[in-house]
Amino acid sequence: DTEVTQTPKHLVMGMTNKKSLKCEQHMGHRAMYWYKQKAKKPPELMFVYSYEKLSINESVPSRFSPECPNSSLLNLHLHALQPEDSALYLCASSQVSRYSNQPQHFGDGTRLSIL
Amino acid sequence: DAKTTQPNSMESNEEEPVHLPCNHSTISGTDYIHWYRQLPSQGPEYVIHGLTSNVNNRMASLAIAEDRKSSTLILHRATLRDAAVYYCILRDGGSQGNLIFGKGTKLSVKP
Repeated sequence: DTEVTQTPKHLVMGMTNKKSLKCEQHMGHRAMYWYKQKAKKPPELMFVYSYEKLSINESVPSRFSPECPNSSLLNLHLHALQPEDSALYLCASSQVSRYSNQPQHFGDGTRLSIL
Repeated sequence: DAKTTQPNSMESNEEEPVHLPCNHSTISGTDYIHWYRQLPSQGPEYVIHGLTSNVNNRMASLAIAEDRKSSTLILHRATLRDAAVYYCILRDGGSQGNLIFGKGTKLSVKP
């Protein structure tokens, strides 16, 4: 069982739909992350939030819009996605540390399919 | 973040030790060596990390070469549940140091 919960587990949407992915953690972590993972590829970092503020955006298209409403929740709003955006979307959290020695805890992801 | 090189795949027998190598010849003095693994249909899972000295935890051991240009993740007794993709990642200790995943090693465990 993972301590980072992602919903929904599966999502199928059309290119004109608007949907949101949700991520929740109750470990008191103040850093939260979104990753995208295509089939048989490693995860790729999309966004980093630190103390509820966006600190890193890895040149992600604007059709992906992250939101961190509080220290336990992280959302990823989706709009006008393309078929190539079909992937596993992973959320992670960690303690904030200046020394990069804090492990990240991952959810099991939302598998997204764009029709 | 510096790059790492891992074999694409490895095979092991159940209940035998497994040594997963990682080369990181361009590692800097402040880089931590992290290992994560990803089981099928799951998110990545933290395994272990170290800076200079060898490290042990309940999951595995990490052996770091004296010059820090390579490291080895050691699973002492492989089980079927250890079949996963294992990622060796360097994180810059001078900053938040985000995870940059390489291709990893796919470990198969035979009964």
